[in-house]
Amino acid sequence: EPEVTQTPSHQVTQMGQEVILRCVPISNHLYFYWYRQILGQKVEFLVSFYNNEISEKSEIFDDQFSVERPDGSNFTLKIRSTKLEDSAMYFCASGGGGVETQYFGPGTRLLVL
Amino acid sequence: AQSVSQHNHHVILSEAASLELGCNYSYGGTVNLFWYVQYPGQHLQLLLKYFSGDPLVKGIKGFEAEFIKSKFSFNLRKPSVQWSDTAEYFCAVYGGSQGNLIFGKGTKLSVKP
Repeated sequence: EPEVTQTPSHQVTQMGQEVILRCVPISNHLYFYWYRQILGQKVEFLVSFYNNEISEKSEIFDDQFSVERPDGSNFTLKIRSTKLEDSAMYFCASGGGGVETQYFGPGTRLLVL
Repeated sequence: AQSVSQHNHHVILSEAASLELGCNYSYGGTVNLFWYVQYPGQHLQLLLKYFSGDPLVKGIKGFEAEFIKSKFSFNLRKPSVQWSDTAEYFCAVYGGSQGNLIFGKGTKLSVKP
């Protein structure tokens, strides 16, 4: 069964550094998402992406964040200058859009020191 | 804005006990509801979903959930849990036109053998 994959599984970085989190969505899906979960808190929506552009974003997704689909398979989340409060588990998901089921990756645990 | 509440933070049961995990949502209109499960070290997986029709929804692994519109609830149930059901369970509601999901905080289920 096809799965969403994410790399790396863990990333430790210094405050102020840039990080890029990578995702490979399921190949025939057209909608891609990023969510994050700060330890002990809810899974929160960050951004959705369709047809090579952002379709919706939350208030968390400020100018420090960007997403890209650099080729036909990868979907990346970049944090330009990390802050301590960016430490979280970041989940990528893909799906058919609308109310279609979203399939989640295993997550990248980001720790900002 | 829509929100989802899961009132149980951690539930501990013995094998063969019955399970009911609470989920309440805030929106009074048409809702699309989901339960996801995250087994230790694994990614979020869809257990079941409700879009319309029969309010009693059957999912995988013997789980079911009942949509009660008057109570704004979508509780997850299983008649007899197994040790392998130890996981974290997340209730979610479809949040908008681009398919973002709004999650509850999650309920950790520990099943004692």
